[in-house]
Amino acid sequence: AQSVSQHNHHVILSEAASLELGCNYSYGGTVNLFWYVQYPGQHLQLLLKYFSGDPLVKGIKGFEAEFIKSKFSFNLRKPSVQWSDTAEYFCAVTNYGNNRLAFGKGNQVVVIP
Amino acid sequence: ETGVTQTPRHLVMGMTNKKSLKCEQHLGHNAMYWYKQSAKKPLELMFVYNFKEQTENNSVPSRFSPECPNSSHLFLHLHTLQPEDSALYLCASSQEGPGGAKNIQYFGAGTRLSVL
Repeated sequence: AQSVSQHNHHVILSEAASLELGCNYSYGGTVNLFWYVQYPGQHLQLLLKYFSGDPLVKGIKGFEAEFIKSKFSFNLRKPSVQWSDTAEYFCAVTNYGNNRLAFGKGNQVVVIP
Repeated sequence: ETGVTQTPRHLVMGMTNKKSLKCEQHLGHNAMYWYKQSAKKPLELMFVYNFKEQTENNSVPSRFSPECPNSSHLFLHLHTLQPEDSALYLCASSQEGPGGAKNIQYFGAGTRLSVL
């Protein structure tokens, strides 16, 4: 079964700092990759996704992620965070042909004004 | 608003109670899901329904009983739960296609369940 690893569960940083969250998955076949975000008190929403094509994917709110197949990774980045980016970020993976999302444990990100 | 509505938002129940969680999607999707979100653990997929048929049960205890009367509605019936079942229960929906390759799941806000 697919498993997803996210490290550094708690991240605290100041506004304008750069953010990078790591995501590694276990299954080596064709995968679809997602980052979801959960703002305080809100529902999970899709931040960005990778299905195929350019491995550098741009999402909403200035986020981007890079798929590196050789490293089984899909790291999330934002060059300059804002206080409103305070949220929990989840990496999720499905194997191609299967819609069963496997989630990581999430990263709790706190941005200090 | 994601188009997936869950009720109630909060629920407190005793271990001998019977209650139900409801999920409704307004997106015209053909697949619906129940997930359990506990602190410090990954979201756990519980059940999957495609075209109203249950296609996955991830070893969920029988005290959780799903029901999908149509492709827009999903219920989770709860009976004799344990305190460790306290969690946020999330519903999601997606449009399943050939190969299930490019389906995105849309989540509801969840039901925060506390079992006393």
